[in-house]
Amino acid sequence: DAKTTQPNSMESNEEEPVHLPCNHSTISGTDYIHWYRQLPSQGPEYVIHGLTSNVNNRMASLAIAEDRKSSTLILHRATLRDAAVYYCILRSNYKLTFGKGTLLTVNP
Amino acid sequence: GAVVSQHPSRVICKSGTSVKIECRSLDFQATTMFWYRQFPKKSLMLMATSNEGSKATYEQGVEKDKFLINHASLTLSTLTVTSAHPEDSSFYICSATTSNSYEQYFGPGTRLTVT
Repeated sequence: DAKTTQPNSMESNEEEPVHLPCNHSTISGTDYIHWYRQLPSQGPEYVIHGLTSNVNNRMASLAIAEDRKSSTLILHRATLRDAAVYYCILRSNYKLTFGKGTLLTVNP
Repeated sequence: GAVVSQHPSRVICKSGTSVKIECRSLDFQATTMFWYRQFPKKSLMLMATSNEGSKATYEQGVEKDKFLINHASLTLSTLTVTSAHPEDSSFYICSATTSNSYEQYFGPGTRLTVT
């Protein structure tokens, strides 16, 4: 599976937007970009995914670079409940390969 | 949304005994279930993939005789850790998906401690 690179940690303030970057320079044409997050001591949960176009859902937005070598997960207004590890994953088959992710801390 | 449960949520067992962990899809039929292991402050590592009615496919380095997986129905998969040792202590997480879904639905995890 193609690899992704994310910052180890990021910090945000409550009710401010958060932009979580992900680099995936070796992405192939069939790879979808998926984001999951994991709250402490819980299983991961799906956040969003996309292929080429930017995507929005109730949880977040996903901005994908034109060359698809990077993407950014956008939380429009961070809350304390958004504190989690965020994983950017390239998926071309049924498997998910988790990297180290970004630990997001949200300050009140 | 789709719900996946795991039982037990935490278990402590003695070294040398076997432990069974159940993973259930509560409101959908899962064609495929996955088992992951996560050590403290580490990422999830896929152990195996199981499809209903067929043998599980194990990832490289995962001992199939030690981690027995049974996917007997479209709503239940079990992971049995046989002859558990302290180094098997970990957070075990299952997920489930359907053939036409882009999403994996994860269970809450089972914390196994082997003493």
